[in-house]
Amino acid sequence: ENVLTQSPATLSLSPGERATLSCRASRSISTYLAWYQQKPGQAPRLLIYDASNRATGIPARFSGSGSGTDFTLTISSLEPEDFAVYYCQQRSSWPPFFGGGTKVEIK
Amino acid sequence: QVHLVESGGGVVQPGRSLRLSCAASAFIFSDFGMHWVRQAPGKGLEWVASIAYDGTNEEYADSVKGRFIISRDNNQNTLHLEMNSLRAEDTAVYYCARDRARHLVSSIFDYWGQGTLVTVSS
Repeated sequence: ENVLTQSPATLSLSPGERATLSCRASRSISTYLAWYQQKPGQAPRLLIYDASNRATGIPARFSGSGSGTDFTLTISSLEPEDFAVYYCQQRSSWPPFFGGGTKVEIK
Repeated sequence: QVHLVESGGGVVQPGRSLRLSCAASAFIFSDFGMHWVRQAPGKGLEWVASIAYDGTNEEYADSVKGRFIISRDNNQNTLHLEMNSLRAEDTAVYYCARDRARHLVSSIFDYWGQGTLVTVSS
């Protein structure tokens, strides 16, 4: 069974700092990985698909990289509205599934 | 702007049924596959079911297979989830989500509704 492991579970940073979030698959998923942002009480929002493609309307400070089993979501300079939970999701194999999430909190 | 609005959630006893709906607007509904994704309280995201743009193919998570039915009405721009034999572990916010690709299921969820809460409790 393929598993997505996100790390760290919680990232404590200040506005303006760089955030680096990791998602590791237990088996290769090529570049079939997406990233979502979820704020409290809101629905998830698609940020990145196929590892490195920004979704419509997503600011350039969000970038994704990686292939195979190791993926990274980078937020170059945290804005106040970026503090949220981030999920990765694979679509390489059926069914699609999500990682456990990384919470980015204000330090 | 793509708009998805879920309805039909509520409190239901174990073993009973509930039907969720998702009203879609501002895009050609009949061109896109659709999904249901759920989130138990304080937990992560779990894909539940998907349906092709024309309704010809449905897929389900093992956790709901045989109990839930996804359907769509392309004339009414509406997605449904019929949930039967509900269990306590089905308690969650249920989101409908659009598939990013036209005319196929890519499993990239590009637009989401605000969610509807289903609580299964006696």
